[in-house]
Amino acid sequence: AQSVTQLDSQVPVFEEAPVELRCNYSSSVSVYLFWYVQYPNQGLQLLLKYLSGSTLVKGINGFEAEFNKSQTSFHLRKPSVHISDTAEYFCAVSDREYGNKLVFGAGTILRVKS
Amino acid sequence: GAVVSQHPSWVICKSGTSVKIECRSLDFQATTMFWYRQFPKQSLMLMATSNEGSKATYEQGVEKDKFLINHASLTLSTLTVTSAHPEDSSFYICSAPIMTGARIEAFFGQGTRLTVV
Repeated sequence: AQSVTQLDSQVPVFEEAPVELRCNYSSSVSVYLFWYVQYPNQGLQLLLKYLSGSTLVKGINGFEAEFNKSQTSFHLRKPSVHISDTAEYFCAVSDREYGNKLVFGAGTILRVKS
Repeated sequence: GAVVSQHPSWVICKSGTSVKIECRSLDFQATTMFWYRQFPKQSLMLMATSNEGSKATYEQGVEKDKFLINHASLTLSTLTVTSAHPEDSSFYICSAPIMTGARIEAFFGQGTRLTVV
């Protein structure tokens, strides 16, 4: 069985500061990892995904994540956040390359303050 | 980009009544859609896979008679919560896969916040 742990339920940060949202997973099979963002009153939007190849994945809006197999982690980072990055972020894992039947973490609310 | 529209975005209903939630793919056809549920401070959990023209596939522990899924067309799947109870209060969200290049990506609706009083 697969599971995802997002270690922080909320992360407050000042504008232009760097941020890291943590995600750890467990899986007994090959994994495909995803980060989604949900802005208030909107659906989930894919930020980035790791399917294979380079362990450093770059996504939209300046976010990146690094797949670390030995630590079973897929932490999301951004070097300088904006107020508009305030949203809830979900880490997800799938044993299928196509990203269906996702197993999600509980989510991390990123609050960017001015 | 591809859009999945979910309606309503929030609903409050009385205990014992039924609530229907719609999930539409606006500019593409979706033979498969997925329904997820999220309880407060918990993960999004897959409830069922909706298949156009055939019965939905439910995940273990999800009552198929309580959560009725109908995928009547290639652009619409509905989830009906029957005889709703306060413990059914949750955030329900659908997704539909679409080909992007050589891979399939899941696009999500905006979710429905159901409160049963």
